[in-house]
Amino acid sequence: DQQVKQNSPSLSVQEGRISILNCDYTNSMFDYFLWYKKYPAEGPTFLISISSIKDKNEDGRFTVFLNKSAKHLSLHIVPSQPGDSAVYFCAARGSGNTGKLIFGQGTTLQVKP
Amino acid sequence: EAQVTQNPRYLITVTGKKLTVTCSQNMNHEYMSWYRQDPGLGLRQIYYSMNVEVTDKGDVPEGYKVSRKEKRNFPLILESPSPNQTSLYFCASSFTGYTEAFFGQGTRLTVV
Repeated sequence: DQQVKQNSPSLSVQEGRISILNCDYTNSMFDYFLWYKKYPAEGPTFLISISSIKDKNEDGRFTVFLNKSAKHLSLHIVPSQPGDSAVYFCAARGSGNTGKLIFGQGTTLQVKP
Repeated sequence: EAQVTQNPRYLITVTGKKLTVTCSQNMNHEYMSWYRQDPGLGLRQIYYSMNVEVTDKGDVPEGYKVSRKEKRNFPLILESPSPNQTSLYFCASSFTGYTEAFFGQGTRLTVV
């Protein structure tokens, strides 16, 4: 049972345009959400996070939006650059101090020059 | 440089031959964990450790063992590997269970 879902396996956008990556979750107890970026042959690297008490968090070109009522979050990249081409994973932190991250399946973003 | 180091990066082995994947972090992190990544499933937690000598099961612990004798090291042990353990494995560490995790570069394991 997938508690965190990224329903789009891939996304292709033109350089300079906006990239929007989506993520849905089912457990209303999740209190913290993260986005990780992964290049081939490398481990995931932390990109941006958001607490459930906020609805938006911004860091440079990256903004994460959280809609708790819809159990939906999205990552916006503006403007998109070819170097942003990677697999993006959405993750939710599980309850308690176990530190467990529950990941979505990932979305492969391709930014075309 | 702050990092999580896994070895080996690539490994092909035969069914039943015990193996260990090592993981070491130099950030003095309390918390360490192992994940496996499979197509269409994202990353799933295998085991985690909140501190030295404290380990616990994640979502997919069957067929794996871990130990945490020192703060910096968290090896993953497959006593009798099977083909369904063919996967991409990541070790991760963080200051606590509440802070973001840093991941190693991954170990691609194939069991034939």
